[in-house]
Amino acid sequence: GESVGLHLPTLSVQEGDNSIINCAYSNSASDYFIWYKQESGKGPQFIIDIRSNMDKRQGQRVTVLLNKTVKHLSLQIAATQPGDSAVYFCAENIPGNQFYFGTGTSLTVIP
Amino acid sequence: DTEVTQTPKHLVMGMTNKKSLKCEQHMGHRAMYWYKQKAKKPPELMFVYSYEKLSINESVPSRFSPECPNSSLLNLHLHALQPEDSALYLCASSLTEGEKLFFGSGTQLSVL
Repeated sequence: GESVGLHLPTLSVQEGDNSIINCAYSNSASDYFIWYKQESGKGPQFIIDIRSNMDKRQGQRVTVLLNKTVKHLSLQIAATQPGDSAVYFCAENIPGNQFYFGTGTSLTVIP
Repeated sequence: DTEVTQTPKHLVMGMTNKKSLKCEQHMGHRAMYWYKQKAKKPPELMFVYSYEKLSINESVPSRFSPECPNSSLLNLHLHALQPEDSALYLCASSLTEGEKLFFGSGTQLSVL
């Protein structure tokens, strides 16, 4: 399953499928990006980060892709599990500035 | 210890009350933040402290007053709040400004 962030803020996937969550960032000067997962009633939890000198970074079951040409970031979750159900935010950082968060995508995993 | 601890978890207050939110971290981080989050919205930055000095105030009304007593503690003093101030208040810390943020679980605030 795949979301396009602002235009599709919810994403439903079957357990075991791969998920792709997208984020369009706003500032071409942004050089550091983070994906956060937020479960209901909790604070955002760090998932994975990437700096602008890279275009791909992998973690455990997660991959972040960065396309600076079109200012696009994506989070891929492999073999999605019910525990992955949450809201996912991308955050961008401009040098000398703070982190600003995208609108978020709500992921629901169907058992 | 990789936690940011916030107290209380829930708070209900009237518009004439004075209350404080507390945040603590023991990771040696020198930047601490307050964010406000409305339901189904992203966190919005309110204040940043860097090396215990107020670095950024994102035009927050004066009824919110931050305080950083030392490098491990961050408070948010609340006075004469409005019902529209009801939200989840998140504290975060990072090694220095611009590094990845570690968030607490937040204080769910309701203003009646």
